Order: sequence, then structure tokens, then C-alpha cells
Amino acid sequence: DGGITQSPKYLFRKEGQNVTLSCEQNLNHDAMYWYRQDPGQGLRLIYYSQIVNDFQKGDIAEGYSVSREKKESFPLTVTSAQKNPTAFYLCASSIMDTQYFGPGTRLTVL
Amino acid sequence: AQSVAQPEDQVNVAEGNPLTVKCTYSVSGNPYLFWYVQYPNRGLQFLLKYITGDNLVKGSYGFEAEFNKSQTSFHLKKPSALVSDSALYFCAVRPFSTGTASKLTFGTGTRLQVTL
Repeated sequence: DGGITQSPKYLFRKEGQNVTLSCEQNLNHDAMYWYRQDPGQGLRLIYYSQIVNDFQKGDIAEGYSVSREKKESFPLTVTSAQKNPTAFYLCASSIMDTQYFGPGTRLTVL
Repeated sequence: AQSVAQPEDQVNVAEGNPLTVKCTYSVSGNPYLFWYVQYPNRGLQFLLKYITGDNLVKGSYGFEAEFNKSQTSFHLKKPSALVSDSALYFCAVRPFSTGTASKLTFGTGTRLQVTL
């Protein structure tokens, strides 16, 4: 069963802690992306990666970090430097110009 | 810089009636245009896209969209709405690129509410 999986579905973090969101795909897509969704603001691009061991900053990369050690995996770390991390985080991968999305992780900072 | 405008925060329509969700865009060069749908607490589902060719694009679940270059619009339409179509709809644009990664710009979304 092919697709994009994100874990966990819900995540709670205390202020000052780093947390890592998982994104895995078995679609054999080269490119992967991380977006943040806030109410009324649509989706904003955090980071994207075109190939393994390469990634670029998106529009709101400050306070986030990523790695791309395997084609299938693109984890996102939300660091303590991110001032307002509470949001819905969406991972996507793409082939032939079309992006396909995972189910999302809802991060709440307590 | 590219941008997308979805001028209506919410669209209300009765089941069985036609629906239109509006989208206008701004991009350098030829646009690639997309519509996605999002149900509560879920990821985005791809509905349809325009790359080139016929201005009327047909997609999933009976949806279609019409590309209008002169008006820079890509409105989403469906001839007969269903209650199950109620969701959040996003329009997205990117310029033509030969790169592997497609950097999309999304609109702020339009909530579609279909009632009996």
C-alpha cells in the first residue's frame, strides 16, 4: 500500500524543547516538502528537498531544521528557536509536477 | 513573486445546485495550477491540475476547473453539489520549471458548505 505517512498524529511539547516530526513515503518520489498550516493563512513552505542529502529553505525556515539521509524519509525538527510552533504540519512528496500530502501532525506547545 | 487569491472565505450552496469556488493567480511565465481539498484534521487531497492544453480540466469526484489566461483565473466548478463535498478547498500555483521540486504557492483556502 503506497503512500505518505506522518507520525505522530498529535504531539505536545513543552516550551524550550526540540521535537522531531516523522515523514516517510514509499512512492519512490524524489522531492519532499514540509508545510505549516495555520487557520486563515493557507500553507506555508518550511523546507524542501529535491534529492537525498540536499535541501533548501522555504519561506519560513527559521526555527526549523531537516535532514534527507534516505529517499524515503524527510524528518522535520522544530527547535526551541521557533517562537510560535503550535500549528498543523503537513509533509508532501512530488512526481510529475504534482504534490501528494500526508495526513499531518498537529503540534501543540504547552 | 507568485501569488494566489481566493476571494471568498466561505461558499454556501444547496445540494444539487452547481457550485463555483474562485481562484485568481499571479505568476511569471506559464502557470501550473492546482486544486486540493482538505477534510477536517486531514492532509490535502489532489483534485486536478492545469499544465497545458485544454482550458477545461476534469478531476476527481466530478470536479472541473476552467483556466482563463486573460483573466488569470482558475475557478473550480461542479454541476451538482453534494453534502459530502463540504470541505476546505485550496488553489495553488507554480511557474513552469524544469527542476525536480515544484515550489507551490497556496491560496488561503475557501470553505465550501453544502446544505440539504
